[in-house]
Amino acid sequence: SQQGEEDPQALSIQEGENATMNCSYKTSINNLQWYRQNSGRGLVHLILIRSNEREKHSGRLRVTLDTSKKSSSLLITASRAADTASYFCATDFGNDMRFGAGTRLTVKP
Amino acid sequence: SQTIHQWPATLVQPVGSPLSLECTVEGTSNPNLYWYRQAAGRGLQLLFYSVGIGQISSEVPQNLSASRPQDRQFILSSKKLLLSDSGFYLCAWSVPPGGRGGYTFGSGTRLTVV
Repeated sequence: SQQGEEDPQALSIQEGENATMNCSYKTSINNLQWYRQNSGRGLVHLILIRSNEREKHSGRLRVTLDTSKKSSSLLITASRAADTASYFCATDFGNDMRFGAGTRLTVKP
Repeated sequence: SQTIHQWPATLVQPVGSPLSLECTVEGTSNPNLYWYRQAAGRGLQLLFYSVGIGQISSEVPQNLSASRPQDRQFILSSKKLLLSDSGFYLCAWSVPPGGRGGYTFGSGTRLTVV
């Protein structure tokens, strides 16, 4: 069963704009992770934020976590056409991770 | 370096035929291994995971089975494929416990059952 739910399902922006994607989950977690998937490819791990962290940065990526609201957001600043992909959040669930349905981001040049 | 190999990249199989997808990991020992399936435009559905040789946990009762004959080898099988088995199959590994360092995914196998 899915744990995380991303919002929006699809997002289309112009190059240079910021993109914000949200994730909500249902149960308590140890960590939350964000992944990127280019069309027809495997997922690539982007960033992990632990339950005791509130914000984390990696290059143009900024992730926030609000455990009281059971939600996280991924911000991509100064987007590029190459950022076009699907983005998934995932939460730990026992011995494995559970993934949401993803947000499809399109960055127009 | 740590790598994961998954093959074949694409596969077209008739209904009722058997299936064997293989995944191998290099550069790590005692990994947790996972098989996911992704329907077109959808999220990932966990099918099986393994925490050690011969240890398989099934998340979704279905037409598929998994085996882990060696520490770094994970195989997804079916005796008779159904049309509903079509999808994008992804293998992944993580360092125990529970993928807290992130998962590494293979490049996936696109299976079409006709």
